[in-house]
Amino acid sequence: GENVEQHPSTLSVQEGDSAVIKCTYSDSASNYFPWYKQELGKRPQLIIDIRSNVGEKKDQRIAVTLNKTAKHFSLHITETQPEDSAVYFCAASGGGGADGLTFGKGTHLIIQP
Amino acid sequence: NAGVMQNPRHLVRRRGQEARLRCSPMKGHSHVYWYRQLPEEGLKFMVYLQKENIIDESGMPKERFSAEFPKEGPSILRIQQVVRGDSAAYFCASSPQEGNEAFFGQGTRLTVV
Repeated sequence: GENVEQHPSTLSVQEGDSAVIKCTYSDSASNYFPWYKQELGKRPQLIIDIRSNVGEKKDQRIAVTLNKTAKHFSLHITETQPEDSAVYFCAASGGGGADGLTFGKGTHLIIQP
Repeated sequence: NAGVMQNPRHLVRRRGQEARLRCSPMKGHSHVYWYRQLPEEGLKFMVYLQKENIIDESGMPKERFSAEFPKEGPSILRIQQVVRGDSAAYFCASSPQEGNEAFFGQGTRLTVV
């Protein structure tokens, strides 16, 4: 089945700086890669996603890049703000087997004032 | 359009009792997924269901756990004879028939005492 690795597990950046979170996946048939943000005690919320037919997608301060050859994808947050502090999860799906998402272990992003 | 609804939000059970967790998907969504999240950890896939069918239960423990998504009514995740290790947050997600975007409910926090 699919295996998703996510790094780093904790990331601390100064407010206003950029943050990058990286994920790798194992199943070359996977074709859908969402990113979720989870604040403490709350549900995971979809913030951006990308499909395997594109290499990059942007939404205001958030961007995701995908390298199918290397089987890795990254989340980029620019001009970070205190409200960006949360745990971020990458996921992959669409490969052989279940349509269920396989998640990375999460990155705790801390924005330092 | 109401989001994914889970109830109860919090559930306390004594060891050996049964726990029933309910999930009503978003309107128009026919795919339901259950995930388990232990404290400080990521989301682990448990089971993927469509109406009246279990599509993939590869993440479900072989014993004590079962899930259903009947033609009418919510999806149910049932845990029999609960043990302390079952304490976790259980999230349900739903997606439309076409496409893979999954939207999460608020989760049920199960505590076994």
